[in-house]
Amino acid sequence: SAVISQKPSRDICQRGTSLTIQCQVDSQVTMMFWYRQQPGQSLTLIATANQGSEATYESGFVIDKFPISRPNLTFSTLTVSNMSPEDSSIYLCSAPGQGWPLNTEAFFGQGTRLTVV
Amino acid sequence: GIQVEQSPPDLILQEGANSTLRCNFSDSVNNLQWFHQNPWGQLINLFYIPSGTKQNGRLSATTVATERYSLLYISSSQTTDSGVYFCAVSTDSWGKLQFGAGTQVVVTP
Repeated sequence: SAVISQKPSRDICQRGTSLTIQCQVDSQVTMMFWYRQQPGQSLTLIATANQGSEATYESGFVIDKFPISRPNLTFSTLTVSNMSPEDSSIYLCSAPGQGWPLNTEAFFGQGTRLTVV
Repeated sequence: GIQVEQSPPDLILQEGANSTLRCNFSDSVNNLQWFHQNPWGQLINLFYIPSGTKQNGRLSATTVATERYSLLYISSSQTTDSGVYFCAVSTDSWGKLQFGAGTQVVVTP
């Protein structure tokens, strides 16, 4: 398994500002993932964060809006920049468990519930 | 990319009833997981089941990889089973997941 700590758990932000979400994993992992869940919707992958290289973004997501840092093998941050009400979502980070690569089960942080006003 | 379809989209159960949730996927996968999202938004891992059958208490799951579907069984449902159940699959070895749309389950007393 993996224990993933994410913070903040929730925040209310003014439009035009930025919020940085932190994600800490209890073991070293090669890849970490960031997902967005818009209200009433499923989870969509934003990007893959690989230590030592730039993040890989999925279609529809860009680095200027969602810059990601991955300074070491246990930590990553996601920033939501220049926020608008449409960014109100739950943001979740994920990483594989300690059984990787034989076991590719993914684990998730508690999520960050963001409301932009 | 791979498509993941879940059915039914909504399910209302009386406490004590049994139910089956289905997940169909469009390509071969090396990972399939079932999650329960509670009302606070937290994702709870239920099963890691790329193939075969597993049971955990009142829940069990079966994945038939050759036919590209998985089933989640809830027996003797309780109000605490309410929430959204997600199926998610991966075609790589890194843990990157493609989620289905989910099944919203409401268990009434």
